[in-house]
Amino acid sequence: GQQVMQIPQYQHVQEGEDFTTYCNSSTTLSNIQWYKQRPGGHPVFLIQLVKSGEVKKQKRLTFQFGEAKKNSSLHITATQTTDVGTYFCAGGSYNNNDMRFGAGTRLTVKP
Amino acid sequence: DAGITQSPRHKVTETGTPVTLRCHQTENHRYMYWYRQDPGHGLRLIHYSYGVKDTDKGEVSDGYSVSRSKTEDFLLTLESATSSQTSVYFCAISSTSGRAIHEQFFGPGTRLTVL
Repeated sequence: GQQVMQIPQYQHVQEGEDFTTYCNSSTTLSNIQWYKQRPGGHPVFLIQLVKSGEVKKQKRLTFQFGEAKKNSSLHITATQTTDVGTYFCAGGSYNNNDMRFGAGTRLTVKP
Repeated sequence: DAGITQSPRHKVTETGTPVTLRCHQTENHRYMYWYRQDPGHGLRLIHYSYGVKDTDKGEVSDGYSVSRSKTEDFLLTLESATSSQTSVYFCAISSTSGRAIHEQFFGPGTRLTVL
C-alpha cells in the first residue's frame, strides 16, 4: 500500500539558520498537504500542492512538489523560535479517499 | 478554528473495557477521520467516513470500529481496550469537490490511557 516516508525525524537549529524536511512516496501522489503541530496542540493545515513541479511560498516557507509527484519538501528560511513544532506531510492517493501522513519532522530552534 | 470538538479529552481505563470516543462537527463537512498519534509514527489513519453510514478502514483499523449515524457525529469504539491502544486520538474533517479532498481540520485530541 501507499507509504509516505519523511526525513529527518528531528532537526535542531540555531535561530536564523535554514531548515528543510523531505517527504517521499512509494507511489505517485494525487496531491500533497503539509501540516504543522505545535507542542501539545493539534495539526494545522499549511498548504496543498497538486501539480507536478509546483512551488508555493508563504513568507519564509517554500513548498515544492516533485516532477514525478512522488516527493515533496518544505524549506524554512531564517528560522525563528515561532517555527518550533512538528511538520507533517500527507500524501493523497488516486486509488482511495484518504491521506497518508509521514512520521513528521520535529523542529527545535535555539534562540 | 473549525467547529470540531472531541469528547472526552482525557480518559484512563482498564484493559478489556469498552471505550467510545466522540467527534462532533458543526461545519457540515462530508469527510470525517479518526487518527492515532504515537511517537515515531506520526498520524496513522484508523477509519474514515465519507457520508452518513458510509465508512472505510484505514491502515490501523484492527481493534477499532466506527459509526456515523448523523453528519455531525463520528464515533470511535474500542470494543475491548488493550494497552497497545494507549495513544492520542485525533478526529479530523474535510470537504471535497469531486475526487479532490481539501485540507483537513483537526480536533483538539483525546488522550487515552489503557492500564
